[in-house]
Amino acid sequence: KNQVEQSPQSLIILEGKNCTLQCNYTVSPFSNLRWYKQDTGRGPVSLTIMTFSENTKSNGRYTATLDADTKQSSLHITASQLSDSASYICVVSADSGGSNYKLTFGKGTLLTVNP
Amino acid sequence: NAGVMQNPRHLVRRRGQEARLRCSPMKGHSHVYWYRQLPEEGLKFMVYLQKENIIDESGMPKERFSAEFPKEGPSILRIQQVVRGDSAAYFCASSQTGTEGNTIYFGEGSWLTVV
Repeated sequence: KNQVEQSPQSLIILEGKNCTLQCNYTVSPFSNLRWYKQDTGRGPVSLTIMTFSENTKSNGRYTATLDADTKQSSLHITASQLSDSASYICVVSADSGGSNYKLTFGKGTLLTVNP
Repeated sequence: NAGVMQNPRHLVRRRGQEARLRCSPMKGHSHVYWYRQLPEEGLKFMVYLQKENIIDESGMPKERFSAEFPKEGPSILRIQQVVRGDSAAYFCASSQTGTEGNTIYFGEGSWLTVV
């Protein structure tokens, strides 16, 4: 059964600090891994997409890493801002004949950035 | 540059009533997906549609749920005879193509509460 596990479940940090969120998956066969940011009461917004051959991808202060051998990914947030407070969701796509929608979602890590 | 538009944002229905959720994809997108997010759970795939066609409805309950994406107008997710367990956030997403790695853009969601 395809699964995506995220840790920690929640995290509180001070503004300006860095943090790293973890994602382990058992989706097979693997196609790509995405990180989304979801503000409370809003829809998910894409941060990064990584395929099997990519092991790091950055988007501003967000840097995602992927280790396809150990089936782990991390999302590193640098110099956190109050607006980074949100749920961060790891999403893994299974290779199903080129289709794009067979996504397995983690439950997310709820990040709170305090002043 | 309108994104994926969903309405209503919030909907309250009594048990046994019908709920209709509408989704207009991003301009130029012909692939629409519906996902459901139950409280404290990750998003789960429900149905994938292209114009006038249901491509995959394997994630949608067989009873009471239906979806369509007509040639003209928005995609509709219809839930008949709602029950308390249908209370959830329903997210519509769209993409330009259905191919691997293509960015999927999410709407802001429709929050259904069944009382």
